[in-house]
Amino acid sequence: QKEVEQDPGPLSVPEGAIVSLNCTYSNSAFQYFMWYRQYSRKGPELLMYTYSSGNKEDGRFTAQVDKSSKYISLFIRDSQPSDSATYLCATLVNTGNQFYFGTGTSLTVIP
Amino acid sequence: ETGVTQSPTHLIKTRGQQVTLRCSSQSGHNTVSWYQQALGQGPQFIFQYYREEENGRGNFPPRFSGLQFPNYSSELNVNALELDDSALYLCASSPGGNKPVGGYTFGSGTRLTVV
Repeated sequence: QKEVEQDPGPLSVPEGAIVSLNCTYSNSAFQYFMWYRQYSRKGPELLMYTYSSGNKEDGRFTAQVDKSSKYISLFIRDSQPSDSATYLCATLVNTGNQFYFGTGTSLTVIP
Repeated sequence: ETGVTQSPTHLIKTRGQQVTLRCSSQSGHNTVSWYQQALGQGPQFIFQYYREEENGRGNFPPRFSGLQFPNYSSELNVNALELDDSALYLCASSPGGNKPVGGYTFGSGTRLTVV
């Protein structure tokens, strides 16, 4: 079993739609939960991260962590064509030095 | 302030050869981590260097080795290349270990193709 599971998609939505991206994880020791965006031929770029459970909002993006079900979500409101990219979830234990990534979900927002 | 710079951007090697990939960390960062990202997969941790010492290693064989220099730049060396080593190799730097998570910055990667 992988440490982090993520539906690879691809996901295609019309401009303005609400997008929901999800991951599950297996290790209850994970304390940091990150979402990265990766454009083609580029490195991952941090969108946002949360520590432990709860929600975090940044503009059109909301990250949620439910530690009881080991479920991580990213919501994108009013999606734009510029949001078209691969989205990677990642986790980290509090004392660790290794990020565990999901496989990434490819998102296309159609104008 | 410059970001993380990796070189070369692309290269093609033959199976059995050796390769060296280079990474210049962001100014003020003393920690460098290397990840391998195969096509359609998420990045996999290779190892991390903190102040010139290896500070953790993922599930990669010894033919993957690294160095960190006094200026905190780093090299990833892969010996006896195999076809499965074809991937995007990512370098990430941070100001101190993995904390703060928000300070962890990735480069654009080196695309290695082994034929």
